[in-house]
Amino acid sequence: DGGITQSPKYLFRKEGQNVTLSCEQNLNHDAMYWYRQDPGQGLRLIYYSQIVNDFQKGDIAEGYSVSREKKESFPLTVTSAQKNPTAFYLCASRPVISGRNQPQHFGDGTRLSIL
Amino acid sequence: QQPVQSPQAVILREGEDAVINCSSSKALYSVHWYRQKHGEAPVFLMILLKGGEQKGHEKISASFNEKKQQSSLYLTASQLSYSGTYFCGTREGRGSTLGRLYFGRGTQLTVWP
Repeated sequence: DGGITQSPKYLFRKEGQNVTLSCEQNLNHDAMYWYRQDPGQGLRLIYYSQIVNDFQKGDIAEGYSVSREKKESFPLTVTSAQKNPTAFYLCASRPVISGRNQPQHFGDGTRLSIL
Repeated sequence: QQPVQSPQAVILREGEDAVINCSSSKALYSVHWYRQKHGEAPVFLMILLKGGEQKGHEKISASFNEKKQQSSLYLTASQLSYSGTYFCGTREGRGSTLGRLYFGRGTQLTVWP
């Protein structure tokens, strides 16, 4: 079945540690997105990418980094510079079709907590 | 620009109707609606395009007023399965924004039997 796979489902980070959240899609989608979700805040965009080796900062990129070496993969690293990383992280993707407005499809999320 | 959703929360009995609103201070190209169950991924409901209305589900429909930069989601004869948090996502331009959406803070809908 096609879909978006995020791993791990739960992740714990120690102070000063970098952690990487995985996002893989087999939908052949061009665009991929990372969101952070906090209670009552909605979804806030961290980074997004439309093509391999190119990505843009979203609204809350500080303390995060990404890479897009393959079309199907868009890992997110939460660095030690992110002082409040505890949140639910969602990865999404969508096809890019000229002239068509396509919805984003979401993975099941990774819940990150500080130890 | 984050859109504003109202109300923040709605409590209904099964079979009742509800309306959820989404408004932006920016001109909008499209509005996307999603529903999220607790701890799960948001699920796409429908897209409202500038100049048109698209119905995604039988008893869930939506409208888009481009001049007022507002969209409303209508849930009729609500079912227990409608419970969840509803988000609107707005797209402000058709051009080089790579399809990014601005999401509202969500409306929590609870349906009781």
